[in-house]
Amino acid sequence: NAGVTQTPKFQVLKTGQSMTLQCAQDMNHEYMSWYRQDPGMGLRLIHYSVGAGITDQGEVPNGYNVSRSTTEDFPLRLLSAAPSQTSVYFCASSYWQRNTGELFFGEGSRLTVL
Amino acid sequence: DAKTTQPNSMESNEEEPVHLPCNHSTISGTDYIHWYRQLPSQGPEYVIHGLTSNVNNRMASLAIAEDRKSSTLILHRATLRDAAVYYCILRAVSGTYKYIFGTGTRLKVLA
Repeated sequence: NAGVTQTPKFQVLKTGQSMTLQCAQDMNHEYMSWYRQDPGMGLRLIHYSVGAGITDQGEVPNGYNVSRSTTEDFPLRLLSAAPSQTSVYFCASSYWQRNTGELFFGEGSRLTVL
Repeated sequence: DAKTTQPNSMESNEEEPVHLPCNHSTISGTDYIHWYRQLPSQGPEYVIHGLTSNVNNRMASLAIAEDRKSSTLILHRATLRDAAVYYCILRAVSGTYKYIFGTGTRLKVLA
């Protein structure tokens, strides 16, 4: 069972570089989201999507772009990386229409921006 | 968005029950109460959820106050493997589609 798959698991960038964190799920979930977690802190919502073609901002969207062209994939793009974006990034998905709405998380992507 | 408030940290002895509290005084009538936990160096995992009635599953129990302004996650016999950060969040059924996590409660289990 693949669940939620994130790639890459580790990445080092220089300030100003761009990159895309990939997230894929094989559970046919309508809802997908990205969180960041700074050391010793809780999770903060960056962007989320309730279906293909629909995205919206979370708590900390600045510096990040997302798109949802398919149900399975929800990539997170950093257009010009900054040291403040050094963090662990988690992708999560769930059914939305069902009452449980249990979130399934990926293993995380650790990003360092120098 | 409705917010939750949890103590920053708690301690428990191994094999004793643990009661983790959560306040959500601005909860709306259709918000589900979800609990997740995050083990060290892992992503969060679902623990339990409820709406109005108390709930039990193989991992834990969830006790919900009658006015729904607070809830308590109950681990019946804490083990060292239960040492984690526990998050209480509210899931709206309609309207805003956000799962907002707070800082959670860090549970330390003493051998």
